[in-house]
Amino acid sequence: DIQMTQSPPSLSASLGDRVTITCRASQTISTHLNWYQQKPGKGPTLLIYATSTLQTGVPSRFSGSRSGTEFTLTISDLQPEDFASYYCQQSFSAPLTFGGGTKVEVK
Amino acid sequence: EVRLVESGGGLVQPGRSLRLSCAASGFTFDDYAMHWVRQAPGKGLEWVSGIIWNSVEKVYADSVRGRFTISRDNAKNSLYLQMHSLTTEDTALYFCAKDLKVRTKARLFEYWGQGTLVIVSS
Repeated sequence: DIQMTQSPPSLSASLGDRVTITCRASQTISTHLNWYQQKPGKGPTLLIYATSTLQTGVPSRFSGSRSGTEFTLTISDLQPEDFASYYCQQSFSAPLTFGGGTKVEVK
Repeated sequence: EVRLVESGGGLVQPGRSLRLSCAASGFTFDDYAMHWVRQAPGKGLEWVSGIIWNSVEKVYADSVRGRFTISRDNAKNSLYLQMHSLTTEDTALYFCAKDLKVRTKARLFEYWGQGTLVIVSS
């Protein structure tokens, strides 16, 4: 199974900050990496798929990138609605696996 | 508007069975693979099972293989998860999720329901 290691588990940030979340795959997954946002009491929403493609309706302050087996979600200019938990997920092969999550909190 | 509404959760004793349902609307159900993903209280997301549009292929996480069965009824726009031999480790909020692309195993989750809570306890 492909293990996804996500860091940090949590971070504190202020409005307008640039935030970076990292996800490392235990083996090559090409560009098959997706990012989700989850707010308390809600189902997750798809932010980015295939490493860097923004889902329809997602603000352009969200971006994704890749270097080998390391993937990055960047939120530039953090907005109030961005305080949430974020998860990466590999779609390269079953069993599909998620990173452990990153909670973005108010500093 | 895509809607996914899960039901069937509840309190069940260890070793017993439960069947979850997901009612889908707002899209052509029989064009998409569907999945179940769960989240234990205060924990992260865990993919449980997936089924392609015509039910020919079904896949499972190691933690549920042999105990859970995924199925769908395209005539009823519904997805199901039959769960047997439940343990306390199966306690979680179970989400139904729609795959991204038409008749393609994209293996990612474009839309999610709100979940149905399964509590396994004596």
